[in-house]
Amino acid sequence: GAGVSQSPRYKVAKRGQDVALRCDPISGHVSLFWYQQALGQGPEFLTYFQNEAQLDKSGLPSDRFFAERPEGSVSTLKIQRTQQEDSAVYLCASSLAGAGANEKLFFGSGTQLSVL
Amino acid sequence: AQSVTQLDSQVPVFEEAPVELRCNYSSSVSVYLFWYVQYPNQGLQLLLKYLSGSTLVKGINGFEAEFNKSQTSFHLRKPSVHISDTAEYFCAVSDRGSWGKLQFGAGTQVVVTP
Repeated sequence: GAGVSQSPRYKVAKRGQDVALRCDPISGHVSLFWYQQALGQGPEFLTYFQNEAQLDKSGLPSDRFFAERPEGSVSTLKIQRTQQEDSAVYLCASSLAGAGANEKLFFGSGTQLSVL
Repeated sequence: AQSVTQLDSQVPVFEEAPVELRCNYSSSVSVYLFWYVQYPNQGLQLLLKYLSGSTLVKGINGFEAEFNKSQTSFHLRKPSVHISDTAEYFCAVSDRGSWGKLQFGAGTQVVVTP
């Protein structure tokens, strides 16, 4: 595809439900990041993958949040027992190489999660 | 740890007028600095970045920013805006050992009117 694709575009969940958010990075991109953007705020880092390895998960807010990238391409962010404070836009970004300041991050349009 | 402060939440500006968006950061280590733009219903796009070297950085769409180490600032400027520049702008930093792990400011909404 031409860019980073995220699905669904919108998700409404009842409090306590589990949700799964999908990210399809640009083909061949090694690095993948998840960010959480609350209303009126800037994005906040959640987690980072290099291929299938989750190298940094320091931003995950609780053990209800889990991310995976089993084959080093598509990634899924799962939130268990959703709570109202989980309502936010979840952004995925990818880059071609593993690391390096000259690398460029490509962001998806995000999944807007609303927990009622 | 770093933090980023964008001093203006909203900046109204007339078409063809100049605009400056202010960004201050704090960090105990050397950082990379970035400006991103977010158009409605689109992903974040990189406008420009400062890695090292010249403190004046030129980006896409006529934007430029100046890194000021003593004032820990990275203000974004455009000499003449277009209606199409209406968007949200985010300043971000990352420390040099954690590329890609960005700390964003809260954003500045730029509204350009004729």
